[in-house]
Amino acid sequence: DVKVTQSSRYLVKRTGEKVFLECVQDMDHENMFWYRQDPGLGLRLIYFSYDVKMKEKGDIPEGYSVSREKKERFSLILESASTNQTSMYLCASSLRGEASNQPQHFGDGTRLSIL
Amino acid sequence: AQTVTQSQPEMSVQEAETVTLSCTYDTSESDYYLFWYKQPPSRQMILVIRQEAYKQQNATENRFSVNFQKAAKSFSLKISDSQLGDAAMYFCAYKPPGNTGKLIFGQGTTLQVKP
Repeated sequence: DVKVTQSSRYLVKRTGEKVFLECVQDMDHENMFWYRQDPGLGLRLIYFSYDVKMKEKGDIPEGYSVSREKKERFSLILESASTNQTSMYLCASSLRGEASNQPQHFGDGTRLSIL
Repeated sequence: AQTVTQSQPEMSVQEAETVTLSCTYDTSESDYYLFWYKQPPSRQMILVIRQEAYKQQNATENRFSVNFQKAAKSFSLKISDSQLGDAAMYFCAYKPPGNTGKLIFGQGTTLQVKP
């Protein structure tokens, strides 16, 4: 089974701090994704990566950056955390392919609170 | 823009009964994929069922089946013989053509199962 591991289940940080959320997958997937999940809004894509050192903005990239130095690891960075970034963050990975019906596999999520 | 709409924020069903969750989407593409994901409380998001748009036959997975109406852009999930373990938030997701693997999610429907 695919395993997607997020480094923390719960995290509390202060406004203005630099915050790192880490995600590791063990199935050699090319694609990796970061979402935030908010009530009534579903999952919104922040950034995704389809290869090492490659990244593309999703729908809500403002205030975030990402890093993918190794294929298995995809990091989300909040450069200067703000209270409106309090949310559940989900990492996912999937195989790459034009006609792929392969689903995304998700981590357990990180519930981040910015005080 | 491609969008996915789940118009039922909350649903409830009696144990052993059948329930249908609604999902509509908007796209001008003809070849795409659709998914239903389940997110149990405080647990990992998992794939429930998937549908390829080029297939006319509705997908089924044990007690879960879909009613895929391509012309109407509708993709509902039917859960038969509901069990307490089916209680979760359910997300409908649309995957456009291309190899990025990006998904567009609906807002989610919280399903309560009553004993």
